[in-house]
Amino acid sequence: DGGITQSPKYLFRKEGQNVTLSCEQNLNHDAMYWYRQDPGQGLRLIYYSQIVNDFQKGDIAEGYSVSREKKESFPLTVTSAQKNPTAFYLCASSQGPTYGYTFGSGTRLTVV
Amino acid sequence: GENVEQHPSTLSVQEGDSAVIKCTYSDSASNYFPWYKQELGKGPQLIIDIRSNVGEKKDQRIAVTLNKTAKHFSLHITETQPEDSAVYFCAAGAWRKESGGSYIPTFGRGTSLIVHP
Repeated sequence: DGGITQSPKYLFRKEGQNVTLSCEQNLNHDAMYWYRQDPGQGLRLIYYSQIVNDFQKGDIAEGYSVSREKKESFPLTVTSAQKNPTAFYLCASSQGPTYGYTFGSGTRLTVV
Repeated sequence: GENVEQHPSTLSVQEGDSAVIKCTYSDSASNYFPWYKQELGKGPQLIIDIRSNVGEKKDQRIAVTLNKTAKHFSLHITETQPEDSAVYFCAAGAWRKESGGSYIPTFGRGTSLIVHP
């Protein structure tokens, strides 16, 4: 079955550490996205990529980094510069403009 | 940029009743309006969408209406069931050539729908 896979489902990080969240899709979608979800705040865009080897900052990119070396993969690194990283992170992909997103099941990151 | 307001934030109904969630948007260039359903601990799932050249779209118990003049669109769920209980998000956006041909929607803050058996 085609889909988008995020791993791990739960992640704990100590303050001062970088951590990488995985996102893989086998839908052959060109566009991929990372969102952060906090209670009562909806979905906020961190980074997006329209094509391999290219990506753009979203509304809240500070403290995050991404890469897009393969069409199928769009990992997100949460760096120690991110002041409040505890949140639910969602990866999504899309087959093109004015098509809906396919979301992964999310990664819940907790800083301890 | 686009601004999307979604109401209500919480909606409680009895099983079998109808539920209506409303969103307004600010950018008249927006031309695609999806709705997502998010169950607890899961990622959102696209349930229905509408494009700006259509005023209404229906899929079984779910319908979406769009009023471009007033810049608002609504999700209607009829004959609600307990399994409809979830958070629903609306989104609005436009395809922008200047962003390399990107479509980046703005999401509403979500409506928590509770259907009581």
